[in-house]
Amino acid sequence: GEDVEQSLFLSVREGDSSVINCTYTDSSSTYLYWYKQEPGAGLQLLTYIFSNMDMKQDQRLTVLLNKKDKHLSLRIADTQTGDSAIYFCALSGGYNKLIFGAGTRLAVHP
Amino acid sequence: EADIYQTPRYLVIGTGKKITLECSQTMGHDKMYWYQQDPGMELHLIHYSYGVNSTEKGDLSSESTVSRIRTEHFPLTLESARPSHTSQYLCASSEYRGTQGDTEAFFGQGTRLTVV
Repeated sequence: GEDVEQSLFLSVREGDSSVINCTYTDSSSTYLYWYKQEPGAGLQLLTYIFSNMDMKQDQRLTVLLNKKDKHLSLRIADTQTGDSAIYFCALSGGYNKLIFGAGTRLAVHP
Repeated sequence: EADIYQTPRYLVIGTGKKITLECSQTMGHDKMYWYQQDPGMELHLIHYSYGVNSTEKGDLSSESTVSRIRTEHFPLTLESARPSHTSQYLCASSEYRGTQGDTEAFFGQGTRLTVV
C-alpha cells in the first residue's frame, strides 16, 4: 500500500528557514499537498504542487518535488512563532483517497 | 474559508451511549471522508464516500458507521461508545476532477470526543 513518511519534530530559531521533508512510495499521485494543523483545530491547506512540476513558490513557502527520489519538501522562509504547528504531507493514493504522513511538529523558538 | 462544518466541537459522554457526529458541507463535493486522530498523532482514514449512497471503510478499522443519504451530509455514528473511542474525529470533503485527480480536501474543525 501507499506509504508517506515524515520526520516527527523540527525545531528552528525565529527568522531562520524551516525545511520539512516527506518521502512517499506511490508515484501515481497527481497532486501533492501540505497541510498545517494548529492545536485543537482541523487541517488547513497551505499549498499544493502538481506532479509535473518541480517547484512552486507562494510567498514565504517553497515546495520542491523530486519525483525520481519520491521526495517532497516544504521550505518556510523567515519562520515566525505563528508558524509553530504540525505540518502534514498528503497525496492522492489509490481510489483517490488522500493519504497523510504522520506530521512534523515544528517548534519555533526566539 | 472552507464551508464544512462539524458538530459538536467537543463531546464528553458515558460508556455505552449512542452518539452521532455531524458533518455538513455546502460546496457540493461528491467525496467526503472521516479521519480519526489522537492528539499530536497522524490521521487515520476510517470511512469515505464517493457520493450519495456510497460508503466505504478506510484503512483503520473502526466500530463506527456512516451514512450518505444527502450529498452535503455525512454523519458518523457509534452505537455504544467506549473509552477506546476517545479521540479527535475530522471530517473532510473534496471534488473529483477526472484525470486531474481530486481537488484538495477541505477539513472541518473536528470533534473532540471523550468517553468516560
